[in-house]
Amino acid sequence: EAGVTQFPSHSVIEKGQTVTLRCDPISGHDNLYWYRRVMGKEIKFLLHFVKESKQDESGMPNNRFLAERTGGTYSTLKVQPAELEDSGVYFCASSQASISTDTQYFGPGTRLTVL
Amino acid sequence: AQSVTQPDIHITVSEGASLELRCNYSYGATPYLFWYVQSPGQGLQLLLKYFSGDTLVQGIKGFEAEFKRSQSSFNLRKPSVHWSDAAEYFCAVRFGNEKLTFGTGTRLTIIP
Repeated sequence: EAGVTQFPSHSVIEKGQTVTLRCDPISGHDNLYWYRRVMGKEIKFLLHFVKESKQDESGMPNNRFLAERTGGTYSTLKVQPAELEDSGVYFCASSQASISTDTQYFGPGTRLTVL
Repeated sequence: AQSVTQPDIHITVSEGASLELRCNYSYGATPYLFWYVQSPGQGLQLLLKYFSGDTLVQGIKGFEAEFKRSQSSFNLRKPSVHWSDAAEYFCAVRFGNEKLTFGTGTRLTIIP
């Protein structure tokens, strides 16, 4: 069974440009999460989808970030326009059931560098 | 405020030596507790988790962790480390809703 995949693995863009990150969860997982790690700091929650609906987006830093999950399968996270402080590693995770004891499985992350 | 603390940013141990990575949390009640590991170029892999029951939890790769309610701690241990254990280790908690709250991570270096 394939794990969580993310594309691209690395992205280098200039300030003001737009970048779109993609996450493909494990097949059959209704829950999809985005997290971010800014250099040297902790991994922080961004948002949580249940199927195609946003369950919790309390961690989204501002309105330059837009997450979608059309059809409840893969998800995209768009940053427009990118700022220097958006640099970091963006992780996606998925889990099967909406219960607290369910395990979240993580992808390898996308390293975003904004110059 | 709820938080997870990993006081050691970087630890270096000799191959074959024992290891203990510290994790403390600050919550109003006992959360669910996790340890993840990230090897270079890899995603976060779950080592072990604690929900309830026996406070000594066994995980993959020979790791174990002990939950101590009185100390609000969930320290990770391994009796003998291997060079392949070099990675970054993250303690995480979950309480109530489904989002994970992570510590800042501990980078482990193994010397021959």
